[in-house]
Amino acid sequence: EPEVTQTPSHQVTQMGQEVILRCVPISNHLYFYWYRQILGQKVEFLVSFYNNEISEKSEIFDDQFSVERPDGSNFTLKIRSTKLEDSAMYFCASSGMRARDNEQFFGPGTRLTVL
Amino acid sequence: DQQVKQNSPSLSVQEGRISILNCDYTNSMFDYFLWYKKYPAEGPTFLISISSIKDKNEDGRFTVFLNKSAKHLSLHIVPSQPGDSAVYFCAASVNFNTGKLIFGQGTTLQVKP
Repeated sequence: EPEVTQTPSHQVTQMGQEVILRCVPISNHLYFYWYRQILGQKVEFLVSFYNNEISEKSEIFDDQFSVERPDGSNFTLKIRSTKLEDSAMYFCASSGMRARDNEQFFGPGTRLTVL
Repeated sequence: DQQVKQNSPSLSVQEGRISILNCDYTNSMFDYFLWYKKYPAEGPTFLISISSIKDKNEDGRFTVFLNKSAKHLSLHIVPSQPGDSAVYFCAASVNFNTGKLIFGQGTTLQVKP
């Protein structure tokens, strides 16, 4: 069964450092998402991406965040200068032919720890 | 942001009985709702969805009911099995074009053998 994969599973970084979280969505999917879950809190939407551009982003997704689909298979989330409050589980998701009315498949997540 | 609320943080039921998980929402613009299940160290897994033009959707042991006037939905699992023990998230879709989901806080279901 096709699945979304994410690497690394756990990333530890120092405050102020740049991190890149990587995702390989399901191969024929067209819509890509990043969500995050701070420990003990809700899963929060960060950004959606379609046709090589951001289609929606949340207020969390400020100038420190960026997304890219560099090679047609990977989908990355970059945080330029990490803050302590960026520590969270980051989930990548993808969906098929339509953004809505279509199941979003989630990856297993990357746990980001900012020290 | 409390647009989607799951007021019960946990639920414990006996194997074979019905599990009922509840979710309330405040934004009347929501018109598509989903339930996800999550095991530790895994991402959320889609279970079942419902459009606002329906009041019920069924898939095997899982049934979702939607009461638009009360802005309430529920997930029924019958019969409950120990493997159903997980965190269950209610989510609402707010934008048809972007697919953005807004999640509730989750309810931890424990099904006892």
